Order: sequence, then C-alpha cells, then structure tokens
Amino acid sequence: AQSVTQLGSHVSVSEGALVLLRCNYSSSVPPYLFWYVQYPNQGLQLLLKYTSAATLVKGINGFEAEFKKSETSFHLTKPSAHMSDAAEYFCAVIGGSGNTGKLIFGQGTTLQVKP
Amino acid sequence: NAGVMQNPRHLVRRRGQEARLRCSPMKGHSHVYWYRQLPEEGLKFMVYLQKENIIDESGMPKERFSAEFPKEGPSILRIQQVVRGDSAAYFCASSPRVGETGNTIYFGEGSWLTVV
Repeated sequence: AQSVTQLGSHVSVSEGALVLLRCNYSSSVPPYLFWYVQYPNQGLQLLLKYTSAATLVKGINGFEAEFKKSETSFHLTKPSAHMSDAAEYFCAVIGGSGNTGKLIFGQGTTLQVKP
Repeated sequence: NAGVMQNPRHLVRRRGQEARLRCSPMKGHSHVYWYRQLPEEGLKFMVYLQKENIIDESGMPKERFSAEFPKEGPSILRIQQVVRGDSAAYFCASSPRVGETGNTIYFGEGSWLTVV
C-alpha cells in the first residue's frame, strides 16, 4: 500500500531564505507523486507532479522537487521564500493504479515566512 | 474553461439535519472524487465516481454518507443526520478520462460544513 510522510508539521523561514519541505513515500509500485498548496479557506492547487520522467521536477511559483528513489523522497524546495508562499503544503501519492485520482495525502506542512 | 465548481461554499446544519454538497467537474472530465479534510488533518479520500457509477467508495463512512454522479447534473455528496464530527471541509476533484498516466486531478474550492 502507498503512503506518504511529511516531516515537520510547521516550518518557519525568513523571507529570501531557502524553503525545504520534506516528503517521504512508501509505494510497492513506481509512484506518481504530487505537491499541492492550500491557502487559507481555499482548495488545493497543484504545484508539480512526478510521473517517472525527469527526476527533477519544476513547478509553479519557483518551486521544484527531486525524486530520489534510493531515499524514497520527494522533497519540495524553493531557493528564496516570498511572503506569499505562506500556506499549507501537501505531498501526495496515487494510491493504486496510475489511472485513478485516489490520492493518499501526507499530514501537511504549514509554511510560515517571516519578514 | 471553468474549474471544478462546488456549492455551497459554506453550510451550517443542526445536528440531525441533512447536508447536500454539490460538485460540477471541469468541462470534459468524467471522473469525480470526494475528499474530506477534518480540522488539523490532511485530506482523506472518500469516494470515486464516474457517470452513474460508484467506482471506489472505500473511504466512505458506512452509515449516513452517500454519493452519486447522475447522467445529468452535478455530483452530490449527501450526509444524513449530521453530527458534530461531520464538521469538515469537503473537497471535490475531477480528472479526465481513464488512460492518462499520472492523471492530474483538479480540486474545487471546497465546501465547509459546520454542524451546530
């Protein structure tokens, strides 16, 4: 069965600092992995996804993530944090065959950006 | 191209009443998914539907919850005899037809249910 673990429920960085949000997955099949962002009282917006093409995936808003099979990780990074990046971030893996939208989500990481 | 549309955005119900949440998928999408987000928790899968069919309801509570996606009209998540523990954000998502590897699913803005 697939699962996702996000290390750190809260991460705080200064504006302009590196953002690193950690995600480890467990999957018995090649995984499809996603990062979503959720702003307060809003739905989820897709940041990026990994579907077994390039291991370094670039997303929107300057975010990127690297798939590392040996470490079963898919950490999200951004070189320089902006105040508008403050939100909750969810890592997810498709649970089951690759053709379903049955996503298994991590618990989420709240990113705080300090001025 | 309109996104996934959910209504109502906010719904308040008294204990014992019924809650109906509606979801219209993105144009051209024939697959609908419902997720629930409890306070301070991540999203949990509830049910996956195609037109007139429930494909996977492994995340649905056994009682009081039902979902449908009729041939015409939106998908509906129905909660009967609501209790305080049903208070949550309910998100609908949709995706294109089966066959696309690693389908991206698109989420609606959510419906926030408060049971008083």
